Amino acid sequence: ETGVTQSPTHLIKTRGQQVTLRCSSQSGHNTVSWYQQALGQGPQFIFQYYREEENGRGNFPPRFSGLQFPNYSSELNVNALELDDSALYLCASSGAGTSGHNEQFFGPGTRLTVL
Amino acid sequence: GNSVTQMEGPVTLSEEAFLTINCTYTATGYPSLFWYVQYPGEGLQLLLKATKADDKGSNKGFEATYRKETTSFHLEKGSVQVSDSAVYFCALRGPLYGGSQGNLIFGKGTKLSVKP
Repeated sequence: ETGVTQSPTHLIKTRGQQVTLRCSSQSGHNTVSWYQQALGQGPQFIFQYYREEENGRGNFPPRFSGLQFPNYSSELNVNALELDDSALYLCASSGAGTSGHNEQFFGPGTRLTVL
Repeated sequence: GNSVTQMEGPVTLSEEAFLTINCTYTATGYPSLFWYVQYPGEGLQLLLKATKADDKGSNKGFEATYRKETTSFHLEKGSVQVSDSAVYFCALRGPLYGGSQGNLIFGKGTKLSVKP
C-alpha cells in the first residue's frame, strides 16, 4: 500500500505566475484535503475534494482552485502568485464514508517559493 | 470560532528529561483532538488522538488527556530521546458544517530540540 505522494518537491516561481501542485492519494482513499503551511506556522485548510467535487473550503481567495480526478488524485492550482503564497503545501487523503470523521494521512508536501 | 493555542517554542531539553507541551483549544461542542509531529523535511504524522472528554491518547511513550473542564490537551513524555527532536502540532477537528467539513485546525507548532 503506497502512501500519499506529492509532486514536485520544490518549486520556484515569480509573482504573477501560475502554479499547479499534484497529489496522489493513498490507496482506497476518496477524499483529498489541501493545507498551506507558512514558515513557522501551523497548516491552514485550503479546501477539500470528495468524489471529484469541492466539498468544503477555508478562508482562501478564488485564485486558489483545485481538481480531483476519477482515480482520486488531485491538483491544487494557484493563479496570480503573490509573495505571501510562499509556503509548504500539504495534501492529506482520507478514507471512504463521511469524510469529516476519517483520519487524514499527509504527504511530504511541496515547498513553493515565490520571488 | 474554533482555534488552538499551544506553547511557544523552541523547547530545548536534555535526553531523558520530562516533556510537557501545553495546548488549549476553543471550540463549539466536543471536537476530536490530535497531536501531529513533523520531522525535518517531512510531512505531518499523526502521533496520538482523543475523541471525547477524559480520553487519553498515547503512542511511542507520548500521552495526552482530553480535559473538557480546562479545554486542554497537553502533550507529555516521561523521558525524551534525541530522535524526538521535531515540531509538534496540536490540532482539533473542525465542525462538519460551515465549509470546514471536519478538517483540521492547527496550532502554530512547538519546536522541540533534545540534546544528548
